[in-house]
Amino acid sequence: QKEVEQDPGPLSVPEGAIVSLNCTYSNSAFQYFMWYRQYSRKGPELLMYTYSSGNKEDGRFTAQVDKSSKYISLFIRDSQPSDSATYLCAMSASWDMRFGAGTRLTVKP
Amino acid sequence: ETGVTQSPTHLIKTRGQQVTLRCSSQSGHNTVSWYQQALGQGPQFIFQYYREEENGRGNFPPRFSGLQFPNYSSELNVNALELDDSALYLCASINPTGGTEAFFGQGTRLTVV
Repeated sequence: QKEVEQDPGPLSVPEGAIVSLNCTYSNSAFQYFMWYRQYSRKGPELLMYTYSSGNKEDGRFTAQVDKSSKYISLFIRDSQPSDSATYLCAMSASWDMRFGAGTRLTVKP
Repeated sequence: ETGVTQSPTHLIKTRGQQVTLRCSSQSGHNTVSWYQQALGQGPQFIFQYYREEENGRGNFPPRFSGLQFPNYSSELNVNALELDDSALYLCASINPTGGTEAFFGQGTRLTVV
């Protein structure tokens, strides 16, 4: 079993849809949770950064962390074609991050 | 833009050769991490440097080594290149006040032939 599991997709939605991306993990020591967006041939871009359990909202993006279930989510409201990218979840107990494999999202106009 | 720059952007090397990749971290960030991202996979942690000392290492062999300089820029060196070393190499600059809040450069794509 991988330490971080993420459905690779691909996921295709129409413009304006609500997108839900998820990851599960096995290491209960993780306390920092991140979502990165990665466009083709580019480095990952930090979208959301949360500590411990709870929700965090930033514009159209909402991150949720449920440590009791070892489950994290990213919701994208009013999705746009420019949101088409690979979304990586990442988590950390201290100094090194463990990443999921990434979910490839396409938002169609 | 993250303020993290990596060079070169692309590189082709022959198996058995050595390579050096460079990273300039974001101003004020004294910690830098290096990651390897194979095609279709998430990044994997190689090692981390804090104030010029390696303070954490992932499951990579000793032929992967690094340096951090007084201005917090960093190098990743890989000796005896293997075909499986072909990947995108990412440098991440860590916010010293933000736990593990990390900002990545655009990466160096290394192809070993």
